Amino acid sequence: DAGVTQSPTHLIKTRGQQVTLRCSPKSGHDTVSWYQQALGQGPQFIFQYYEEEERQRGNFPDRFSGHQFPNYSSELNVNALLLGDSALYLCASSRTGGQPQHFGDGTRLSIL
Amino acid sequence: KQEVTQIPAALSVPEGENLVLNCSFTDSAIYNLQWFRQDPGKGLTSLLLIQSSQREQTSGRLNASLDKSSGRSTLYIAASQPGDSATYLCAHMNRDDKIIFGKGTRLHILP
Repeated sequence: DAGVTQSPTHLIKTRGQQVTLRCSPKSGHDTVSWYQQALGQGPQFIFQYYEEEERQRGNFPDRFSGHQFPNYSSELNVNALLLGDSALYLCASSRTGGQPQHFGDGTRLSIL
Repeated sequence: KQEVTQIPAALSVPEGENLVLNCSFTDSAIYNLQWFRQDPGKGLTSLLLIQSSQREQTSGRLNASLDKSSGRSTLYIAASQPGDSATYLCAHMNRDDKIIFGKGTRLHILP
């Protein structure tokens, strides 16, 4: 049983570009959450998707957007990249209702 | 504002010692509290999850406790080993499935 998978594992972009990160949830999970982890910090909640809708959002600008597909997989899009967007982006999936979240290994995004 | 604080930020101990990592949180209405391990450049591995109605959970050499009334949790590691070296993150989930993380404790076990 595959766990949460994220792609790509590493990505290098330049300022102003746009990026799309992908996440496939663990089998049986219907909720996907995205987190940003800057170096030396704890993960910060970006947003969560359930039933293809954004259910809640953290304190991130509109440059950060997402999508959830009918098969529960999800994408995180970031527009107009800034140097400060360099971080490890983590995806977590769960069954809705306070169930434990399972994390992927993340996508390391570097902005030059 | 919901906050999670972890003390100490970094810790080095000789192999074989027992140790305690501390976590405090401001949200009294947590749904559960979880301890994660993170190796450098890697994702998160869940170690222990304590539901809000529970007081502690144990897995092997690890024991986590939860005191909701005081907003505190501890992670106890017995007989530490060099392989325990990692960053340990404390996090709580609210009823909206949103997880709030601390900044972590970087643990180094000296051989």
